[in-house]
Amino acid sequence: EAQVTQNPRYLITVTGKKLTVTCSQNMNHEYMSWYRQDPGLGLRQIYYSMNVEVTDKGDVPEGYKVSRKEKRNFPLILESPSPNQTSLYFCASRPSGMGILETQYFGPGTRLLVL
Amino acid sequence: GEDVEQSLFLSVREGDSSVINCTYTDSSSTYLYWYKQEPGAGLQLLTYIFSNMDMKQDQRLTVLLNKKDKHLSLRIADTQTGDSAIYFCAEKGGQGGKLIFGQGTELSVKP
Repeated sequence: EAQVTQNPRYLITVTGKKLTVTCSQNMNHEYMSWYRQDPGLGLRQIYYSMNVEVTDKGDVPEGYKVSRKEKRNFPLILESPSPNQTSLYFCASRPSGMGILETQYFGPGTRLLVL
Repeated sequence: GEDVEQSLFLSVREGDSSVINCTYTDSSSTYLYWYKQEPGAGLQLLTYIFSNMDMKQDQRLTVLLNKKDKHLSLRIADTQTGDSAIYFCAEKGGQGGKLIFGQGTELSVKP
């Protein structure tokens, strides 16, 4: 089954404790991205990757890191989480083309609470 | 810059039509999307429209696009309780063809 998976689905942590949220897709997509969803703000892009070893900042990259060593994986790293990073996080992937059908497939989301 | 705006809440009775509205600012957007997010789930693509179209119908869904006013709407006919969800409109633009989302409209369907 074609899908985007994220782990963990739920995470409670404390300020300053490094964490990683994993994202994996099995559709051989070149493009992957991370979003955060906050009430009243919709989804905002954190980072994206056009292909292996190619990553770039989205709209809200501060406090986050990513890496793209393999095509299928795109982990999101919070080196020193803070309470304002409490949010719902979505990973997404799509083929690299710009056409209408190259829309994004979303993971199920990771709900993060930083105390 | 690019911006997409939606109202946050809409409440309708089962069987009525729902109309969810969206405005956007990037006139160069070529594709506009509607995504549905059910409780506890990720986003699923519901429908889309090309910017050179005025209307698209897909079963109970009708998408209307007013390019002059940069206004997009999603009409759901005969709304059911299973349609209760958050609906996001999105445009494709910006660097790398990223999706720019509205805030999401929470649709509540009352029996």
